[in-house]
Amino acid sequence: DTEVTQTPKHLVMGMTNKKSLKCEQHMGHRAMYWYKQEAKKPPELMFVYSYEKLSINESVPSRFSPECPNSSLLNLHLHALQPEDSALYLCASSKREASSYNSPLHFGNGTRLTVT
Amino acid sequence: GIQVEQSPPDLILQEGANSTLRCNFSDSVNNLQWFHQNPWGQLINLFYIPSGTKQNGRLSATTVATERYSLLYISSSQTTDSGVYFCAAAFGNEKLTFGTGTRLTIIP
Repeated sequence: DTEVTQTPKHLVMGMTNKKSLKCEQHMGHRAMYWYKQEAKKPPELMFVYSYEKLSINESVPSRFSPECPNSSLLNLHLHALQPEDSALYLCASSKREASSYNSPLHFGNGTRLTVT
Repeated sequence: GIQVEQSPPDLILQEGANSTLRCNFSDSVNNLQWFHQNPWGQLINLFYIPSGTKQNGRLSATTVATERYSLLYISSSQTTDSGVYFCAAAFGNEKLTFGTGTRLTIIP
Protein backbone atom coordinates (compact mmCIF):
# COMPACT_ATOMS: atom_id res chain seq x y z
CA ASP A 1 0.00 0.00 0.00
CA THR A 2 1.24 3.44 -0.95
CA GLU A 3 1.64 6.03 1.80
CA VAL A 4 0.76 8.80 -0.64
CA THR A 5 -2.92 8.73 -1.54
CA GLN A 6 -4.33 10.27 -4.70
CA THR A 7 -7.94 10.78 -5.71
CA PRO A 8 -9.64 10.18 -8.01
CA LYS A 9 -7.97 7.20 -9.70
CA HIS A 10 -9.56 8.03 -13.03
CA LEU A 11 -11.02 11.28 -14.34
CA VAL A 12 -12.68 12.09 -17.64
CA MET A 13 -13.39 15.76 -18.24
CA GLY A 14 -14.43 18.02 -21.06
CA MET A 15 -12.40 21.00 -22.18
CA THR A 16 -14.75 23.44 -20.45
CA ASN A 17 -14.87 21.62 -17.11
CA LYS A 18 -13.15 22.54 -13.84
CA LYS A 19 -11.90 19.67 -11.72
CA SER A 20 -9.34 19.05 -8.99
CA LEU A 21 -6.88 16.29 -8.25
CA LYS A 22 -6.10 15.60 -4.62
CA CYS A 23 -3.07 14.16 -2.86
CA GLU A 24 -2.50 13.36 0.81
CA GLN A 25 0.49 12.08 2.76
CA HIS A 26 0.98 11.45 6.47
CA MET A 27 4.69 10.70 6.54
CA GLY A 28 5.61 14.16 7.85
CA HIS A 29 7.26 15.05 4.55
CA ARG A 30 7.64 18.77 3.87
CA ALA A 31 8.26 18.56 0.11
CA MET A 32 5.42 17.62 -2.24
CA TYR A 33 5.47 17.32 -5.99
CA TRP A 34 3.22 17.05 -9.05
CA TYR A 35 4.48 15.07 -12.03
CA LYS A 36 2.89 14.44 -15.43
CA GLN A 37 3.58 11.15 -17.18
CA GLU A 38 2.61 10.55 -20.80
CA ALA A 39 2.41 7.05 -22.23
CA LYS A 40 5.78 5.31 -22.59
CA LYS A 41 7.67 8.30 -21.19
CA PRO A 42 9.29 9.04 -17.82
CA PRO A 43 7.56 11.34 -15.32
CA GLU A 44 8.04 15.08 -15.92
CA LEU A 45 8.15 17.49 -13.01
CA MET A 46 5.43 20.14 -12.94
CA PHE A 47 5.52 21.75 -9.47
CA VAL A 48 7.36 21.45 -6.15
CA TYR A 49 6.09 22.70 -2.81
CA SER A 50 8.50 23.10 0.07
CA TYR A 51 7.05 23.84 3.52
CA GLU A 52 3.72 24.63 1.88
CA LYS A 53 5.25 27.24 -0.43
CA LEU A 54 5.63 26.86 -4.19
CA SER A 55 9.35 26.54 -4.85
CA ILE A 56 9.48 25.20 -8.40
CA ASN A 57 7.12 25.77 -11.34
CA GLU A 58 8.43 24.10 -14.48
CA SER A 59 6.80 26.62 -16.83
CA VAL A 60 3.48 24.79 -16.61
CA PRO A 61 0.50 26.40 -18.44
CA SER A 62 -1.82 28.40 -16.20
CA ARG A 63 -4.70 25.98 -16.85
CA PHE A 64 -2.95 23.88 -14.17
CA SER A 65 -3.10 25.57 -10.76
CA PRO A 66 -1.48 23.91 -7.73
CA GLU A 67 -2.45 24.50 -4.12
CA CYS A 68 -0.96 23.29 -0.84
CA PRO A 69 -3.52 23.91 1.93
CA ASN A 70 -1.33 22.33 4.63
CA SER A 71 1.70 20.11 5.06
CA SER A 72 -0.26 16.92 4.32
CA LEU A 73 -2.37 17.98 1.35
CA LEU A 74 -1.65 18.94 -2.23
CA ASN A 75 -4.22 19.81 -4.87
CA LEU A 76 -4.02 20.39 -8.60
CA HIS A 77 -6.86 22.47 -10.01
CA LEU A 78 -7.65 21.92 -13.67
CA HIS A 79 -9.48 24.34 -15.96
CA ALA A 80 -9.92 24.58 -19.73
CA LEU A 81 -7.65 21.63 -20.42
CA GLN A 82 -6.75 20.39 -23.88
CA PRO A 83 -6.86 16.77 -25.17
CA GLU A 84 -3.03 16.74 -25.15
CA ASP A 85 -3.17 17.15 -21.36
CA SER A 86 -4.47 13.60 -21.10
CA ALA A 87 -1.88 11.68 -19.05
CA LEU A 88 -1.14 10.04 -15.71
CA TYR A 89 -0.72 12.69 -13.01
CA LEU A 90 1.47 11.60 -10.12
CA CYS A 91 1.87 13.16 -6.72
CA ALA A 92 5.01 12.52 -4.70
CA SER A 93 6.52 13.54 -1.39
CA SER A 94 9.93 13.52 0.25
CA LYS A 95 11.68 14.77 3.36
CA ARG A 96 12.97 18.31 3.16
CA GLU A 97 16.02 18.68 5.34
CA ALA A 98 17.90 21.98 5.49
CA SER A 99 18.22 23.06 1.85
CA SER A 100 18.30 19.55 0.46
CA TYR A 101 15.77 17.56 -1.53
CA ASN A 102 18.12 14.58 -1.34
CA SER A 103 15.90 11.93 0.12
CA PRO A 104 13.76 9.13 -1.35
CA LEU A 105 10.79 10.21 -3.43
CA HIS A 106 7.52 8.43 -2.62
CA PHE A 107 4.83 8.41 -5.31
CA GLY A 108 1.08 7.99 -5.11
CA ASN A 109 -0.77 5.66 -7.47
CA GLY A 110 -1.67 8.50 -9.80
CA THR A 111 -4.77 9.89 -11.44
CA ARG A 112 -5.34 8.81 -15.02
CA LEU A 113 -6.81 11.89 -16.73
CA THR A 114 -8.62 11.88 -20.05
CA VAL A 115 -9.64 15.19 -21.61
CA THR A 116 -12.36 14.92 -24.26
CA GLY B 1 21.42 19.67 -16.60
CA ILE B 2 22.35 16.06 -16.02
CA GLN B 3 21.73 13.57 -18.84
CA VAL B 4 20.57 10.11 -17.72
CA GLU B 5 20.71 7.11 -20.04
CA GLN B 6 19.42 3.64 -19.28
CA SER B 7 20.17 0.36 -20.98
CA PRO B 8 18.88 -1.87 -22.33
CA PRO B 9 15.61 -0.20 -23.35
CA ASP B 10 13.80 -3.54 -23.41
CA LEU B 11 14.55 -6.88 -21.79
CA ILE B 12 12.60 -10.12 -22.02
CA LEU B 13 13.57 -12.94 -19.65
CA GLN B 14 12.32 -16.30 -18.52
CA GLU B 15 11.12 -16.58 -14.96
CA GLY B 16 14.02 -17.46 -12.66
CA ALA B 17 16.66 -15.63 -14.72
CA ASN B 18 18.94 -12.90 -13.39
CA SER B 19 19.29 -9.45 -14.95
CA THR B 20 21.40 -6.31 -14.74
CA LEU B 21 20.03 -2.90 -15.64
CA ARG B 22 22.39 0.02 -16.19
CA CYS B 23 22.06 3.76 -15.62
CA ASN B 24 24.71 6.18 -16.90
CA PHE B 25 24.74 9.83 -15.91
CA SER B 26 26.65 12.69 -17.44
CA ASP B 27 27.80 14.61 -14.35
CA SER B 28 28.40 14.37 -10.62
CA VAL B 29 25.36 13.34 -8.59
CA ASN B 30 24.47 13.28 -4.92
CA ASN B 31 20.98 11.94 -5.49
CA LEU B 32 20.39 8.68 -7.39
CA GLN B 33 17.18 6.68 -7.12
CA TRP B 34 15.77 3.56 -8.76
CA PHE B 35 12.03 3.08 -9.28
CA HIS B 36 9.81 0.28 -10.53
CA GLN B 37 6.59 1.14 -12.35
CA ASN B 38 4.22 -1.81 -12.54
CA PRO B 39 1.80 -2.36 -15.43
CA TRP B 40 -0.92 -0.49 -13.50
CA GLY B 41 1.20 2.65 -13.30
CA GLN B 42 2.25 2.46 -9.65
CA LEU B 43 5.77 3.86 -9.14
CA ILE B 44 7.66 2.29 -6.26
CA ASN B 45 10.94 3.60 -4.91
CA LEU B 46 13.39 0.67 -4.86
CA PHE B 47 16.61 2.34 -3.76
CA TYR B 48 18.00 5.71 -2.79
CA ILE B 49 21.64 5.10 -3.62
CA PRO B 50 23.89 8.07 -4.46
CA SER B 51 26.91 5.84 -3.79
CA GLY B 52 27.79 2.36 -2.60
CA THR B 53 25.81 -0.86 -2.61
CA LYS B 54 22.44 -1.77 -1.11
CA GLN B 55 20.41 -4.96 -1.11
CA ASN B 56 16.72 -5.60 -0.56
CA GLY B 57 15.73 -9.23 -0.99
CA ARG B 58 16.28 -10.32 -4.59
CA LEU B 59 17.18 -6.79 -5.65
CA SER B 60 20.44 -5.00 -5.18
CA ALA B 61 21.94 -1.79 -6.53
CA THR B 62 25.42 -0.36 -6.86
CA THR B 63 26.37 3.21 -7.70
CA VAL B 64 29.93 4.13 -8.67
CA ALA B 65 29.63 7.89 -8.60
CA THR B 66 33.21 8.54 -9.72
CA GLU B 67 32.57 6.53 -12.90
CA ARG B 68 29.06 7.94 -13.35
CA TYR B 69 26.97 4.79 -13.44
CA SER B 70 24.60 2.75 -11.36
CA LEU B 71 23.51 -0.87 -11.74
CA LEU B 72 20.33 -2.59 -10.61
CA TYR B 73 20.52 -6.37 -10.18
CA ILE B 74 17.44 -8.56 -10.13
CA SER B 75 17.97 -12.20 -9.21
CA SER B 76 15.58 -15.13 -9.68
CA SER B 77 13.11 -13.00 -11.64
CA GLN B 78 9.39 -13.38 -11.00
CA THR B 79 6.49 -12.32 -13.21
CA THR B 80 5.70 -9.58 -10.67
CA ASP B 81 9.05 -7.99 -11.53
CA SER B 82 7.67 -7.03 -14.95
CA GLY B 83 7.26 -3.34 -15.63
CA VAL B 84 9.46 -0.34 -16.31
CA TYR B 85 12.52 0.43 -14.22
CA PHE B 86 13.56 4.09 -14.03
CA CYS B 87 16.66 5.59 -12.57
CA ALA B 88 16.68 9.29 -11.68
CA ALA B 89 19.63 11.49 -10.76
CA ALA B 90 20.35 14.99 -9.52
CA PHE B 91 23.09 17.12 -8.03
CA GLY B 92 22.52 19.66 -5.28
CA ASN B 93 19.02 21.10 -5.37
CA GLU B 94 18.49 20.47 -9.07
CA LYS B 95 15.35 18.58 -9.97
CA LEU B 96 15.61 14.83 -10.41
CA THR B 97 16.21 13.89 -14.05
CA PHE B 98 14.65 10.57 -15.04
CA GLY B 99 16.08 8.21 -17.59
CA THR B 100 13.84 6.80 -20.31
CA GLY B 101 13.54 3.49 -18.50
CA THR B 102 14.12 -0.20 -19.10
CA ARG B 103 10.99 -2.20 -19.88
CA LEU B 104 11.35 -5.66 -18.32
CA THR B 105 9.06 -8.52 -19.28
CA ILE B 106 9.29 -11.78 -17.33
CA ILE B 107 7.79 -14.78 -19.12
CA PRO B 108 6.43 -17.64 -16.99
